Amino acid sequence: SQQGEEDPQALSIQEGENATMNCSYKTSINNLQWYRQNSGRGLVHLILIRSNEREKHSGRLRVTLDTSKKSSSLLITASRAADTASYFCATRSTLGRLYFGRGTQLTVWP
Amino acid sequence: NAGVTQTPKFQVLKTGQSMTLQCAQDMNHNSMYWYRQDPGMGLRLIYYSASEGTTDKGEVPNGYNVSRLNKREFSLRLESAAPSQTSVYFCASSRDRNTGELFFGEGSRLTVL
Repeated sequence: SQQGEEDPQALSIQEGENATMNCSYKTSINNLQWYRQNSGRGLVHLILIRSNEREKHSGRLRVTLDTSKKSSSLLITASRAADTASYFCATRSTLGRLYFGRGTQLTVWP
Repeated sequence: NAGVTQTPKFQVLKTGQSMTLQCAQDMNHNSMYWYRQDPGMGLRLIYYSASEGTTDKGEVPNGYNVSRLNKREFSLRLESAAPSQTSVYFCASSRDRNTGELFFGEGSRLTVL
C-alpha cells in the first residue's frame, strides 16, 4: 500500500498535555497533509508541508517532515477537549495521487 | 459559505437497487473526488475528476460510475448496490489535481441490506 500509516491508532491524554501523532509512508511525495475529522463529520484540512520543508507551524499545531525516513509528525500543544477527533495524514505522490492513512483517534479528557 | 454539499445524507437500499449520490461545490474548483470510508480502512479513492469533462478511476472503482455534469457537480452512481458498498461516502474538491488541500462534504451514509 502507498498509504500513510499513522501511529498510534489511538491516543488518550488530559487537557493541557501535548499530543504527538506520527505518519510513515512508502513512496516519494510532493507534499504531506494532515486532516481532522470530528465524529460523524467530514474531514477538515489542518496543514500542508511540502517535500522541501522540514517543519511548519500553525497556531497550536507543529508538523515535521523527514523525507529520508519517510515520516512526519503532528504535534498539538496544550490540548483541549475540543481537539478530540480523528487525525489523518495524506500523502500527495509525485504523480498527483493523494493517499490517506487509517487515522489516529485522539481523546482529550477534561 | 456552502463549500461542498452532498445529498442525501442517509440512504438505505436493498441489494440490487440503484442510486445516485449528488455532490456540488461552489468554490470554482477544478478537481473533484469521491472517497469511501470504512472502519479501520481510512479513506479510499473511488473516482476523481481532474477537470471538467474528465474522470478517472481511483483505488476502488468497481461497482461505481461517475459523471462530471459541469464544473460544480460530480455525481456517483451505484447501478446495482451490494452489501459490500455499505459505507460512508465523501465528496471532496480541490483547486487543482496535483497540489493543495481537499475540501470535504459532510458525507453520505449508505446502508445496503
